[in-house]
This record gives sequence, structure tokens and C-alpha cells, in this order.
Amino acid sequence: SQTIHQWPATLVQPVGSPLSLECTVEGTSNPNLYWYRQAAGRGLQLLFYSVGIGQISSEVPQNLSASRPQDRQFILSSKKLLLSDSGFYLCAWGRLQETQYFGPGTRLLVL
Amino acid sequence: QKEVEQNSGPLSVPEGAIASLNCTYSDRGSQSFFWYRQYSGKSPELIMFIYSNGDKEDGRFTAQLNKASQYVSLLIRDSQPSDSATYLCAVELGGYNKLIFGAGTRLAVHP
Repeated sequence: SQTIHQWPATLVQPVGSPLSLECTVEGTSNPNLYWYRQAAGRGLQLLFYSVGIGQISSEVPQNLSASRPQDRQFILSSKKLLLSDSGFYLCAWGRLQETQYFGPGTRLLVL
Repeated sequence: QKEVEQNSGPLSVPEGAIASLNCTYSDRGSQSFFWYRQYSGKSPELIMFIYSNGDKEDGRFTAQLNKASQYVSLLIRDSQPSDSATYLCAVELGGYNKLIFGAGTRLAVHP
């Protein structure tokens, strides 16, 4: 069966500091991978998606970036965090026209 | 701008009643529709997906789709307090399994 991991689970960072969130998937190959952000009390906003190694599509202009160095690894980064970057970051995997499955998420608080 | 609309709630129902959750979407070309449940502080988990017009039943859950009216609903029979959560409607757009999420409806089932 497929498993998706995210770490860290929670993170408190000062404004202006860098960020690196990691997501890995087990039990499947060549998945589509996605990064979402959920602000408090809000819906899910798609940030990035990837259909393969090194292939990244950005959905929303912002100070975040994503990379996919391996087939089952997806990384979300920032060089300088803003207060507005606080939120619940969710990684998901899926296949074309099939369901997406979410990881446990990373809760980020920028102070 | 493709949109998915849900009533934010809270929808309050007594234990044992039928809870009806509704969702409308703007893109007539959408083909796949999903319902996720999200407990407070947790990541979304898939409840059901539906592709064809009509009803699809899975245990206490029934998804209903009407593409002509651009309307998706989720019925929960014999509601239990453990069903209390936020229910997210998601609609697939584009060719890479991109999902657009509604903001969610908060359901409260009271004993």
C-alpha cells in the first residue's frame, strides 16, 4: 500500500528565515505530487504540482518554490519567510484522473 | 476563474438524522468530483468520488452528481457524533489531476 510522509510535523520560524519542507511517497512509482496550503479556517490552495522528476508547475505567484529531486520526493522551500506564509502545508500524491491522497501535513507558524 | 462553492455552515444535525452537504462548481468541463472529510487539525481524507450523473452509495454515504445543474452533494445517513468534521468538495480540472477545493462545510452532529 502507498504511504505519504511529511516532516517536520510542526515548525515555528522567524520572519526572514529560510524554509524547507519535505514530502516522500512510498509504495508507488511516478506519482503526480502536489503542495497545498490551508490558511486557518480556509480551503486548500494548490501551490505547486509535479508530474515527474524536475518538472514543477507553479499555481500561485509567491516567495515559495518547489523541487522534485527524486521520483518520490517533493520539497517546498523559501529563502525568506513572510508572516503570510503561516499555515497548514499539505503534500498529496495522485495519478491522472484519479483521487489525490494527502500526507499528515506540516503546521508552520511564522513569527 | 474556476470556482467551487460550499456553504460554510455549521450544519447542525441530531444524531441518527440525515446530513445533506451541497457543492456547486463553475467549470462545465469538469469530469471528476470528490468528497473529503477533515477533522480539526488533521489532513483531509477521501470519503467518496463520483464521475457519472446520478447516485453512488458507499455504506452510510451517498454522493449525488448532476452535471447539467453543476451540482454535487453528499448525504450522510444515520449521522454519528464522529461524523462531526469539515467536509471538502473537490472538482478535477485540467489534464494533470488538478483539484479545486471548496472552502468546506462544517458539520456538527449532536447527541
